[in-house]
Formats: sequence, C-alpha cells, structure tokens
Amino acid sequence: EVQLLESGGGLVQPGGSLRLSCAASGFTFSSYAMSWVRQAPGKGLKWVSSISGRGGDTYYADSVKGRFTISGDNSKNTLYLQMNSLRAEDTAVYYCARHYSSSPNNWFDPWGQGTLVTVSS
Amino acid sequence: ETVMTQSPATLSVSPGERATLSCRASQSVNSNLAWYQQKPGQSPRLLIYGASTRATGIPARFSGSGSGTEFTLTISRLQAEDFALYYCQQYNDWWTFGQGTKVEIK
Repeated sequence: EVQLLESGGGLVQPGGSLRLSCAASGFTFSSYAMSWVRQAPGKGLKWVSSISGRGGDTYYADSVKGRFTISGDNSKNTLYLQMNSLRAEDTAVYYCARHYSSSPNNWFDPWGQGTLVTVSS
Repeated sequence: ETVMTQSPATLSVSPGERATLSCRASQSVNSNLAWYQQKPGQSPRLLIYGASTRATGIPARFSGSGSGTEFTLTISRLQAEDFALYYCQQYNDWWTFGQGTKVEIK
C-alpha cells in the first residue's frame, strides 16, 4: 500500500524557518515525481512545489520561489520542503502528494494526511 | 497562469439525486484535468483524471466529461458519503485548482 506521512509542521515566528518531511512507503520513491500542496485554514488547495523523479527538475510557485526548496533523499524514501523567510500567509496545512510518473505533468495521487504550519508571533 | 473557476460554490442536493458540478479553465487545458473529493479533516482523494477516467476504486456513479475549457463532474445518485468538497485541477500548464464546490444535503 502506498503511504505518505508528513511531519515537521509547527508554530514559527515570521522570518523563521521550518523543514517539512514526507516519508514514503509502498512504492519505488525515485521513480515518481512528488509535490507539495498547501491549504490555508478554510481555504482551497494551492500547489507549492514539485520535483521530478530522481530530482533532476524542480518547480516552484511564484509565491514561494527563492524562499522554499524542495528536495528528495532516495536512500531514505523521503521528500523535504525547506521553508525559509516564512510569512503569515504561509500558514496552512501542507500536503505531500505523489504523481503518476517520474514527470510531474499529471495529477496528484495519493496525498499524505498533511502537517500544519502556523506562522505567527 | 491558467485560472480554474468552479460553479456553483455550493450545491444543495437530496440523497439519491444527481449532482452536476462545473469547472471552467481560462485557457484550454486539453484533457489534462483531475477532480478530487475532500471531506472535513481529511486530505483530498483523486476521483477522476484525464477529464473522464475514474481513479482506482472510485464508484461508477462518479463520471467526468469535457475537454478544452469546459468540464463537468457528475455524481449520478448521491449517497451520504458523497457530501463533501470537490476540486478540479489542471495539469496542462503547471498546476492550478478551482476554488471548490461544496455538495451539501438539501
């Protein structure tokens, strides 16, 4: 069974940093593209960042470019999102999601359970 | 950026009735469209990809149609577990979601 388990969320002050992790199991991690999608409280879904299988290509939403870094560790089957210079508007539940193939140019399936990031003083 | 617009924002339907949800893209996304269901406190679940292909394990009462800029998700006979939020998402030009349609009990 494919499973994705996020961790690393919490309360951080504006300007601070956090690193989210997404532990993957049940599939060959290096063969699939992965993404982060966030959902602000009571709001809709917004794509944040993607990485191709084997990590050759990365993609970022304009709102996080230059502040967030996506990466993967194939030896640990884990996806990461390093978040720096955090702002109040980054407050959200962050989901990791797998793509259908090594390219991210397709849908998200499955999704993890999410981890809450709160940026507040 | 391709903007996705869903309508209506809220759909009130009685159990056993049909629900029709719409999704419009600001430019053609071909058939590169997915639908997701999200229940309170849960992560989204893939229902449809390629505009009309049901994901594994999704009941046949869910169907998707459309191409280009106009798409529809139809739930033929609503069951209690179908009352939820539904999002469309395009993956033709990066990745963008609609704002969601809430299907509530009438």
